[in-house]
Amino acid sequence: AQTVTQSQPEMSVQEAETVTLSCTYDTSESDYYLFWYKQPPSRQMILVIRQEAYKQQNATENRFSVNFQKAAKSFSLKISDSQLGDAAMYFCAYRSFTGANSKLTFGKGITLSVRP
Amino acid sequence: GAGVSQTPSNKVTEKGKYVELRCDPISGHTALYWYRQSLGQGPEFLIYFQGTGAADDSGLPNDRFFAVRPEGSVSTLKIQRTERGDSAVYLCASSLGGAKVGELFFGEGSRLTVL
Repeated sequence: AQTVTQSQPEMSVQEAETVTLSCTYDTSESDYYLFWYKQPPSRQMILVIRQEAYKQQNATENRFSVNFQKAAKSFSLKISDSQLGDAAMYFCAYRSFTGANSKLTFGKGITLSVRP
Repeated sequence: GAGVSQTPSNKVTEKGKYVELRCDPISGHTALYWYRQSLGQGPEFLIYFQGTGAADDSGLPNDRFFAVRPEGSVSTLKIQRTERGDSAVYLCASSLGGAKVGELFFGEGSRLTVL
């Protein structure tokens, strides 16, 4: 079974600075998706960024980028120019390619606070 | 509506009662998922539907939990003889059908409190 580990329960960043959130995972599969989701107090999970394991290039979405290290099974999220609206819980998640629409497996999440 | 809709937003019940939580997915999404999220934790998978059938129900914790999706659209999660440990936010998500489709779209969840 796949597992996702987020070992940092909380992090804090100064507004306009850069922060990196860590995630590791365990799988025996070679092809899969990885995601970072943001969950604000409204509870709705919002997709931040996704990475397909067969792509060597790291995904980037505006201020958000990932450092995907397949051999190390590491998938960290970098948030540049942090904004107050970035404060939320962030979850790393894994999804298998095996079979259509297989489940997402989430880590425990990290609470990010942004200091003005 | 444009997004995944879940009702009720909040539900308070007494231990031993029966509850139903409803999910209305994005139109055209054939896959539907239920997750349970306890306070301060990541969502835990419960069940997913492909169309009307449960393709994977391995996350249902016991036989008090049951879910249906009779017409391949709206789904209902049913919990019998509720226990205090069932208190959590129940999240629903949907996605397009077919292989290699990555993104799940989530609703805002139903917060269940069992007194």
